[in-house]
Amino acid sequence: EAQVTQNPRYLITVTGKKLTVTCSQNMNHEYMSWYRQDPGLGLRQIYYSMNVEVTDKGDVPEGYKVSRKEKRNFPLILESPSPNQTSLYFCASSLTGTYYEQYFGPGTRLTVT
Amino acid sequence: GENVEQHPSTLSVQEGDSAVIKCTYSDSASNYFPWYKQELGKGPQLIIDIRSNVGEKKDQRIAVTLNKTAKHFSLHITETQPEDSAVYFCAASTPLNRDDKIIFGKGTRLHILP
Repeated sequence: EAQVTQNPRYLITVTGKKLTVTCSQNMNHEYMSWYRQDPGLGLRQIYYSMNVEVTDKGDVPEGYKVSRKEKRNFPLILESPSPNQTSLYFCASSLTGTYYEQYFGPGTRLTVT
Repeated sequence: GENVEQHPSTLSVQEGDSAVIKCTYSDSASNYFPWYKQELGKGPQLIIDIRSNVGEKKDQRIAVTLNKTAKHFSLHITETQPEDSAVYFCAASTPLNRDDKIIFGKGTRLHILP
């Protein structure tokens, strides 16, 4: 089954404790992206990657890091989480970029206390 | 920078009636406009999209119209059903630019009333 998976689905952590949210897709897509969803703000793009070893900032990259060492994986790293990063995070992938349908993962709800 | 405005933020319609959601965008170079539906507890899912060389596209009860001159596009859902209740997002992208970003609207929560 074609899908995007994220782990963990739920995470509660404390300020400053590094964490990684994993994302994996099995569709051989070149483009992958991370979004955060906050009430009243919709979906905002954090980082995206157009291919292996190619990453770029979205609209809200501050406080986040990403890497794309393999085509299928695109982890989101929070080196020092803060409470304002409490949010619902989605990973997505598409064939070659934003000109094609994006397939979203099920989401990761992160709470930073 | 690029901005996408979406209205209304909440919409309630009687089952069987039509629903219309409108979006405007700021970057005249935008050329791809997808609509996503997000059901409770799930990730968004594409329901229809339109590219800038087309003015209208229809898929059963769902249609999207695009006015490039005015820089706005709309989602139309006819004969609404309970399963249409969800949050809908519009988006605009300019993939031919060096930065292949996509900007989403803030979403519309659609309630279908029995």
